[in-house]
Formats: sequence, structure tokens, C-alpha cells
Amino acid sequence: DQQVKQNSPSLSVQEGRISILNCDYTNSMFDYFLWYKKYPAEGPTFLISISSIKDKNEDGRFTVFLNKSAKHLSLHIVPSQPGDSAVYFCAARSSGDKLTFGTGTRLAVRP
Amino acid sequence: DTGVSQDPRHKITKRGQNVTFRCDPISEHNRLYWYRQTLGQGPEFLTYFQNEAQLEKSRLLSDRFSAERPKGSFSTLEIQRTEQGDSAMYLCASSFSGNTEAFFGQGTRLTVV
Repeated sequence: DQQVKQNSPSLSVQEGRISILNCDYTNSMFDYFLWYKKYPAEGPTFLISISSIKDKNEDGRFTVFLNKSAKHLSLHIVPSQPGDSAVYFCAARSSGDKLTFGTGTRLAVRP
Repeated sequence: DTGVSQDPRHKITKRGQNVTFRCDPISEHNRLYWYRQTLGQGPEFLTYFQNEAQLEKSRLLSDRFSAERPKGSFSTLEIQRTEQGDSAMYLCASSFSGNTEAFFGQGTRLTVV
């Protein structure tokens, strides 16, 4: 039972353009959603989060949008840079602060 | 404090052997989590501690797995009688209860041959 889904395994964008990564969830009890970035051979690094009572959170080039009725969130990166190339995981928080992760989207930013 | 530290980074073991991994969390964090990640998947929750108390264990955590956090600081994860299916990246994370984000270590990659 995949409660958090990232349906696009990969995404390629040109440097300077917008990257949009999508995530869907099924459990309405999740109260926080987070995005993590992961480079090979490293642990995930926290990027940005959003509370379930909000619909947008922005931090520099990164913005996360939440559509609760559709159980959908997205991460926008503007402008995209080659250093953003990594695997991005969507995660949702439930009881005990444990996280349920999606399967990840590999982003490649072309120079 | 440079973040969450895990040791070893890599471990190759023969099937049937026991292995133990260590995690040192960020010092002021009272919550510590263990996750497992296999190829093509996101990290999957295994267990977590608040201080020295183990509060939840996933059904993924079979009887061969045991985790401890004896003094509420570092934690160990032991796998007994390893199987090839145990091959994965084992990730440790820590947080302060009530805070949103958990901070991850670099992981221990286990290969069972």
C-alpha cells in the first residue's frame, strides 16, 4: 500500500527553467509534508516543508504547493541550476513524527 | 556537532552472520529513527526512539532485527542471521520532538553475500 506516490521516476529540464516535481498521497491523517534531496552515497537532505493547513510555502528558489482536496503537492524550483540535479523524495509525516516516503524523482538539469 | 553520524559506511557480510550498526544523532535531538532504503525505493520506516524508549516498530522489523538506545544518545541496530534480502542502505535520522524535519546521516550500506 503506497501511501505516498511520485509517479514520475525522472525529469529533465534546462538550466534556468522551472522544475516541477509532483507527489500524491492517500492518507488524510498526514499533517506535514516534506521534500528531501538526495545525492548518490549520501543521506537525504531536508529542503522544505509545508503544514497541512497551508497551501503554499516558499524558501528562496524552492516553493511547495499543497492541494488538500486533490491530495497532491508539488515542488517548484525556479530557476533550476545544474547543482539541483539529484533524486527528490516527497515525504509525509504521521504519528510519532515518522515519515512515509515516495519512491523519488530523479531530476537532471541540463546546462 | 557536525550532524548525524553513522558507522560503518559500508559493510559486506556473509549470509548467516550478525551485523551491528551505530548511529550518533545530533546531540540535542531526543528522537532517533531508523529507516531502510532499497534500490529504486524511498526510505522505509523501521523504528524510532524518544530518548531511550523505543516507541514504535514497523512490521518490516522482523525478529532478527533489534535496536537499542541505552542512554538516550547513540543507537545501535543489530541484524542477526543476515539474509540476502537484508541488503540495503540503513539510514538513521534524528529530530527534536515537535520539530518538522528530521536530519539524516549518510547511511550504512549493507551487502549480504
